[in-house]
Amino acid sequence: KQEVTQIPAALSVPEGENLVLNCSFTDSAIYNLQWFRQDPGKGLTSLLLIQSSQREQTSGRLNASLDKSSGRSTLYIAASQPGDSATYLCAPWWEDKIIFGKGTRLHILP
Amino acid sequence: KAGVTQTPRYLIKTRGQQVTLSCSPISGHRSVSWYQQTPGQGLQFLFEYFSETQRNKGNFPGRFSGRQFSNSRSEMNVSTLELGDSALYLCASSLTGTGAFLSANEQYFGPGTRLTVT
Repeated sequence: KQEVTQIPAALSVPEGENLVLNCSFTDSAIYNLQWFRQDPGKGLTSLLLIQSSQREQTSGRLNASLDKSSGRSTLYIAASQPGDSATYLCAPWWEDKIIFGKGTRLHILP
Repeated sequence: KAGVTQTPRYLIKTRGQQVTLSCSPISGHRSVSWYQQTPGQGLQFLFEYFSETQRNKGNFPGRFSGRQFSNSRSEMNVSTLELGDSALYLCASSLTGTGAFLSANEQYFGPGTRLTVT
């Protein structure tokens, strides 16, 4: 049975810090993994999509890495800003299902 | 380019009733997926439609059903509502879907429909 875990569940850091969010999954036979952010009461915004053949993807201050064999992905946020405050979810997709982690609730302190 | 739209945004129903939610994908997108989000269970995959066919299905009872029309718009129906069905229902669209089908594409989410069952 596939499971997805995100650590930490919540994180508060001062503005300007670099930070790393972790996502681990059982069953390494994923096809891709997507990172999202969700603002309170709203839908999800796609941040990065990593195909299973890729090791990382970058978009602006965000960098996501994927180590499929060890079942891990990390989302690196550089120079954090108050606008980055949100819940971040990772979602690996297997052949017939997508499973979301419970998310990391991030709060950037001004 | 318009994003994914969902209607209605908010809905209050009584236990035992049925409800239909609607999702219009981004123009050109052929895959629509539905998700249920609750505080306790998080985000859970309901089903995915592609070219009017259900392609993948999550672990939900048969009271949850859906369909997709030729213009890729999709509807989700929940019959015999239970209190536990209260949730935010999200739909997402992508060009061809994710996972094993063709090349994986990013999913774009709508704002969701907040369903409250009393």
